[in-house]
Amino acid sequence: SQQGEEDPQALSIQEGENATMNCSYKTSINNLQWYRQNSGRGLVHLILIRSNEREKHSGRLRVTLDTSKKSSSLLITASRAADTASYFCATDAMTQGAQKLVFGQGTRLTINP
Amino acid sequence: DAGVIQSPRHEVTEMGQEVTLRCKPISGHNSLFWYRQTMMRGLELLIYFNNNVPIDDSGMPEDRFSAKMPNASFSTLKIQPSEPRDSAVYFCASSQRTGEISPSSFGPGTRLLVL
Repeated sequence: SQQGEEDPQALSIQEGENATMNCSYKTSINNLQWYRQNSGRGLVHLILIRSNEREKHSGRLRVTLDTSKKSSSLLITASRAADTASYFCATDAMTQGAQKLVFGQGTRLTINP
Repeated sequence: DAGVIQSPRHEVTEMGQEVTLRCKPISGHNSLFWYRQTMMRGLELLIYFNNNVPIDDSGMPEDRFSAKMPNASFSTLKIQPSEPRDSAVYFCASSQRTGEISPSSFGPGTRLLVL
């Protein structure tokens, strides 16, 4: 089963609104990373948060991490049409005996103009 | 830096044929990952190399799949024989691992269609 699970699977909002996506995971992690994927393209790294951090900011992005709940959230403020993409969380963790980066199923975000 | 380079970008083949996907990671990165993405299964990690050594291949579907990394600048993923269910987008990614796994840089992917 997937280490990371995103919620919701799909999100549609109006331009200018804030978008929040959540990620839950199962095991202890070294870090958690968020990626964006535009249709037909490779994934692009957005932000990394380490297990000893609780919040990070990068431009219009805000990521929180709650290791006690094994969950993270990605907030995109003042959304733009160009933010339309799929967003994935990925956890750096020991899985099946090996340290690796495992991705969730992603959240499809649509920003309506 | 040109980023992670993958070839071919598109591949259409017939069932039973051998398919070889190629990847050139970012210079200086010591970890290389092969992923497969489908609508049904999402993004799956197939195999992971660290310093050219396969660390975990538990995600490789079956013996028809094999991957090599003969040196730090080149890796291949081979499917022999190919089947229609192998149709997917295959991504190669690389990163610098120093204890933790640093952010991965993804290639543009290879879209594989097996008829």
